Amino acid sequence: SQTIHQWPATLVQPVGSPLSLECTVEGTSNPNLYWYRQAAGRGLQLLFYSVGIGQISSEVPQNLSASRPQDRQFILSSKKLLLSDSGFYLCAWGPGLPSDEQYFGPGTRLTVT
Amino acid sequence: ELKVEQNPLFLSMQEGKNYTIYCNYSTTSDRLYWYRQDPGKSLESLFVLLSNGAVKQEGRLMASLDTKARLSTLHITAAVHDLSATYFCVHSGAGSYQLTFGKGTKLSVIP
Repeated sequence: SQTIHQWPATLVQPVGSPLSLECTVEGTSNPNLYWYRQAAGRGLQLLFYSVGIGQISSEVPQNLSASRPQDRQFILSSKKLLLSDSGFYLCAWGPGLPSDEQYFGPGTRLTVT
Repeated sequence: ELKVEQNPLFLSMQEGKNYTIYCNYSTTSDRLYWYRQDPGKSLESLFVLLSNGAVKQEGRLMASLDTKARLSTLHITAAVHDLSATYFCVHSGAGSYQLTFGKGTKLSVIP
């Protein structure tokens, strides 16, 4: 069966500090991978998605970036965090076809102070 | 621009009562999903609705899809406290990798 991991689970970072969140998927090959952000009281916003190693599509311009160095690894980064980057970050995977159901990881709660 | 509108956004109901959450979307849909999110937790897939007239049931929850009306409903029967959560309606467009989420309906079931 497939499993998706995210770490860290919680993170408190000062404004201007760097960020690295990691997501890994087990039990499947060549998944589509996604990063979402859920701000307090708001819905989910798609940040990035990837259909393969090194292939990243950005949905929202911002100070975040994503990378996919391995087939089942997806990393979300920032060089300098802003207060507005606070939120609940969710990684998800899909089996590879457009419109397929997505399966979400446990999430990382980021607080920028 | 694709819109997915849920109502109500907040719902407080007594145990044992029935209620329906509505989801309207603005463009044709390849699929329609319902997800559940418990406070501070991730999202759990509840239902996948693939075609017009689709109906899925799991326990006290039943979801349906009317593609002609661009409407999906999530019906709650004889609510229990364990159903308290936020429910998201999610639209998937044909050929798109992107899911579009409604704002979610926060359900509180009161004993």
